[in-house]
Amino acid sequence: EAQLVESGGGLVQPGRSLRLSCAASGFTFDVYAMHWVRQAPGKGLEWVAGLTLNSANVGYADSMRGRFTISRDNARNSLYLQMNSLRPGDTALYYCAREALGGSYWYFDLWGRGTLVTVSS
Amino acid sequence: EIVLTQSPGTLSLSPGERGTLSCRATQSVAGRYLAWYQHKPGQAPRLLIYGASTRATGIPDRFSGSGSGTDFTLTISRLEPEDFAVYYCQQYGSSRGYTFGQGTKLEIK
Repeated sequence: EAQLVESGGGLVQPGRSLRLSCAASGFTFDVYAMHWVRQAPGKGLEWVAGLTLNSANVGYADSMRGRFTISRDNARNSLYLQMNSLRPGDTALYYCAREALGGSYWYFDLWGRGTLVTVSS
Repeated sequence: EIVLTQSPGTLSLSPGERGTLSCRATQSVAGRYLAWYQHKPGQAPRLLIYGASTRATGIPDRFSGSGSGTDFTLTISRLEPEDFAVYYCQQYGSSRGYTFGQGTKLEIK
């Protein structure tokens, strides 16, 4: 069964860094583009960043560009999100998501259950 | 950047009723770039509809999507108790990445 499992969340002070991981299993990881999406408490879903299967193309939401770095290790079937200069507004549940194959339609067909990041002093 | 606005913010209905959820874009969105998700607390979001009108695998046929251009609709023909959740529309903006609507909470009346 295809599965994504996020880890690495926790309580961190403002200005500090945190690295999230997403472990993929049950499918061929290196043929899929992958993304991070977050949900702040009481808010909706917000796309954070994404990258193509070979990391050649990377994109970020404007509010995260320059502070967050998305990367992947296809040999380890893993996706990462390096978050620097964290702010209280970055407090959220962070989801890993798989983009559908094919290029004819654009959507996320598999999601993890998320890892919680809390930025507070 | 295309902004998606969902309405209503909260929809109160009873099981068996029909639910109609709206997603309006500030610019035209190609249908193949428009998807709908269901999200329940503590769970991963679940893909319902892609390409504006194609049901994802395993999604009951009471869920349907329609629309084009700037106006899209998710319809649930006969609400079941398990359908009460938050629903999001999503669009793909090419180099701008993805954006989501703010969500519609479907609650039991």
